Amino acid sequence: NAGVMQNPRHLVRRRGQEARLRCSPMKGHSHVYWYRQLPEEGLKFMVYLQKENIIDESGMPKERFSAEFPKEGPSILRIQQVVRGDSAAYFCASSPVSGAGQPQHFGDGTRLSIL
Amino acid sequence: DQQVKQNSPSLSVQEGRISILNCDYTNSMFDYFLWYKKYPAEGPTFLISISSIKDKNEDGRFTVFLNKSAKHLSLHIVPSQPGDSAVYFCAASVSSYGQNFVFGPGTRLSVLP
Repeated sequence: NAGVMQNPRHLVRRRGQEARLRCSPMKGHSHVYWYRQLPEEGLKFMVYLQKENIIDESGMPKERFSAEFPKEGPSILRIQQVVRGDSAAYFCASSPVSGAGQPQHFGDGTRLSIL
Repeated sequence: DQQVKQNSPSLSVQEGRISILNCDYTNSMFDYFLWYKKYPAEGPTFLISISSIKDKNEDGRFTVFLNKSAKHLSLHIVPSQPGDSAVYFCAASVSSYGQNFVFGPGTRLSVLP
């Protein structure tokens, strides 16, 4: 999983606080994807971004969640007013191009715990 | 509505034997399939993929078979090694929709020495 860097690896927040998760894609990759994994489940797609653009946010909850991938710097997944149900592992992936036949390369995730 | 299913939550295999992991899907528009391996506290690692124009793809000890009519794919690992013990996820996508991968719930493989 070297290459896609996520931080922090672990994040603890109290209910009502904000959580910010960061993802730096592999060098040369301009496409970023965020997934969420609940315990004992597979990964669920949340959002797909290119630099400065959200391409597909069909998996994002309508409220409290937002994502960005600015021209400079990492992609940020932001969760406002966190609730217990937000506790999960959040994975970021990247790819050099979009389209058919392109595997995504994943980071090691951020484990979010809500007290 | 689970579009990608892995009906075996776990599988145990003796070292040196073949491991066969299965995956079924319901969306006939899926045309690109992948297998990922995941160790605890790490992210998924890409193993092998197959497009719907093929029925088999091989890479070293790993072979993926695709049966489009049955909407079924399988991953064969031969010979199995203790280091293969991990959770294996099947994933699928519709290429024309971009890169929204749909993952199965995973199968935990244990390779016994």
